[in-house]
Amino acid sequence: GNSVTQMEGPVTLSEEAFLTINCTYTATGYPSLFWYVQYPGEGLQLLLKATKADDKGSNKGFEATYRKETTSFHLEKGSVQVSDSAVYFCALSDPGSGGSNYKLTFGKGTLLTVNP
Amino acid sequence: ETGVTQTPRHLVMGMTNKKSLKCEQHLGHNAMYWYKQSAKKPLELMFVYSLEERVENNSVPSRFSPECPNSSHLFLHLHTLQPEDSALYLCASSQDNRANSPLHFGNGTRLTVT
Repeated sequence: GNSVTQMEGPVTLSEEAFLTINCTYTATGYPSLFWYVQYPGEGLQLLLKATKADDKGSNKGFEATYRKETTSFHLEKGSVQVSDSAVYFCALSDPGSGGSNYKLTFGKGTLLTVNP
Repeated sequence: ETGVTQTPRHLVMGMTNKKSLKCEQHLGHNAMYWYKQSAKKPLELMFVYSLEERVENNSVPSRFSPECPNSSHLFLHLHTLQPEDSALYLCASSQDNRANSPLHFGNGTRLTVT
């Protein structure tokens, strides 16, 4: 079956530090890959996505590259801000044979805290 | 209003109560979802509706009963819950059910069962 493994947190960084949150996956087909972010007291928001190998998703200074050879989709940001403090979820959507979306598999989430 | 709206934001109920969670989306999407978010566990997909038809029931106990009267509204009816059902319940919608169609989430209902 499909699975997503992301690094366990919490991750604590100082402002302007470099961020990497690792994510690896297993899937039966050719999945689309996503990073979602959950700010305190809110639901999840799509941060970025990549739909095929070697695609790079980017948004708000974050980026992640779909690496099929290493089955990875690591999230990076060059200089984090206090406002980036949130929980980050890696997820995959494997279309399988039916092309359905609802087989979305999430990782457990990584809590990021950025201190001033 | 825009986006996905969930009410109430917080709910405390006893194990013998009956209550309902409401979700409304203003995005014109065709698919809606209920997820359960518990501490230190991955998000658990509970139900999926596509064009108002239930297309997924992920082995959820019968004390949770979903209802989708139209493409904009989704309910989760609760009765005789257990304390382990305490969690954040998230509603989401997507344009359709294609694999690369992203989900739009509401802010959730924080449920406490006493």
